[in-house]
Amino acid sequence: EPEVTQTPSHQVTQMGQEVILRCVPISNHLYFYWYRQILGQKVEFLVSLYNNEISEKSEIFDDQFSVERPDGSNFTLKIRSTKLEDSAMYFCASTPDTQETQYFGPGTRLLVL
Amino acid sequence: KNEVEQSPQNLTAQEGEFITINCSYSVGISALHWLQQHPGGGIVSLFMLSSGKKKHGRLIATINIQEKHSSLHITASHPRDSAVYICAVRFRGAQKLVFGQGTRLTINP
Repeated sequence: EPEVTQTPSHQVTQMGQEVILRCVPISNHLYFYWYRQILGQKVEFLVSLYNNEISEKSEIFDDQFSVERPDGSNFTLKIRSTKLEDSAMYFCASTPDTQETQYFGPGTRLLVL
Repeated sequence: KNEVEQSPQNLTAQEGEFITINCSYSVGISALHWLQQHPGGGIVSLFMLSSGKKKHGRLIATINIQEKHSSLHITASHPRDSAVYICAVRFRGAQKLVFGQGTRLTINP
């Protein structure tokens, strides 16, 4: 069964450094999402992409964050100048249609020291 | 404000018991998702529904649009059902999911 994959599974970085999280969605999916979950808290939406453009973003998704689809098979979340409070699990998800189930990746656990 | 509330926050039961987890939301929705999150953190989609009822194995999900309420039921619960169950909603006009805080279910043998 096709699945969404994410790399790396874990990343430790120093405050102020840039990190890039990668996601490979299921191949025929058209809508892509990034979510984060701070330890002990609920999952929060960050941003959604359709047709290689941001279709919706949350107030969390400020200038520190950016998303790209560098090629046809994956998309990335870049966090510039990381802060301690960026420590969280970051999930990507994809779906063929907004009326259908979203398929989640296994997550990247980011720790900012 | 678009909100999603789940109850209970924590639920402990004995193997074989019938489990119900509830979810309520504030305004009209396009769809409601029930998700399962295991201790390692991975999230698996269980159901997506916009009306009525869906069943998959021992899991049943229902939604009442008028009452803005959904329930997830587990019949003949088993220790392997132990996980966090999350309700997430796509409100009308939006693409994003808004998540509830999750219900931590523990099934003891």
